[in-house]
Amino acid sequence: KQEVTQIPAALSVPEGENLVLNCSFTDSAIYNLQWFRQDPGKGLTSLLLIQSSQREQTSGRLNASLDKSSGRSTLYIAASQPGDSATYLCAVLYTGANSKLTFGKGITLSVRP
Amino acid sequence: DVKVTQSSRYLVKRTGEKVFLECVQDMDHENMFWYRQDPGLGLRLIYFSYDVKMKEKGDIPEGYSVSREKKERFSLILESASTNQTSMYLCASSLWGTFDYGYTFGSGTRLTVV
Repeated sequence: KQEVTQIPAALSVPEGENLVLNCSFTDSAIYNLQWFRQDPGKGLTSLLLIQSSQREQTSGRLNASLDKSSGRSTLYIAASQPGDSATYLCAVLYTGANSKLTFGKGITLSVRP
Repeated sequence: DVKVTQSSRYLVKRTGEKVFLECVQDMDHENMFWYRQDPGLGLRLIYFSYDVKMKEKGDIPEGYSVSREKKERFSLILESASTNQTSMYLCASSLWGTFDYGYTFGSGTRLTVV
C-alpha cells in the first residue's frame, strides 16, 4: 500500500532554532512531492513542490529535499519564528495514482518565543 | 495565482437537511477534489472530478454526491446531513496531464451538523 508517514506528530522548539521536519513514503515511483502549511481552522497553503527529477527546492527560509531511493523528504526551516507555528503536511503524487495525492497526517509545530 | 474559493467558511445545519458545499476555481484546472479532514484521521478523499460531468469516488463517498456542470465549479452534496458528517471540508484543484504545479486548496468550510 502506498503511504506517507510523518513522525513525530508534534514538535515544540524555541525561537531561532533551525529545524527539520521529516516525511517518508513507501514507493519511489513518484511524480512529485508537495509540502503544505495549515494554520488552525484554515485551508492548506502550498509551500514547496519538488519534482521527481529534482533533489531540492528553496523558498526563503524553507528548503525541501527529496531522496527517492530512500523514500524520504525533509523540510528544513531556518531560524524558526513563532509565526512558523502551524501544521506541516507532506503529500506525494505516486505514478499510477490518477492525479490523486497521498497525504501524511502532518506535524504540528510550535515555536516558543 | 490560482484561486480556489469555497463559498462558506462556517456552516451549521440540522440533521436531515440537504447541504450544498460550493467550490470555484479560476485557473481552468481540469481536476477538482473534495476532502474531509478530521483530527487523527488526516485528509480523506470523498470525490474527485477530472472533467465536466465526470466524477470518481474517493475513499469515503458514502453519504455524499457531487456535481460538476461547469469546469470551474465542483459542488459537494450531503443528501441528508448527519452528525457524523460534522467536519472540515476542503476543496482542491490541479491541472490534468502535467505534474509541474501541484494542488491548490481552498480555505475550507467548517460544517457542523446538529
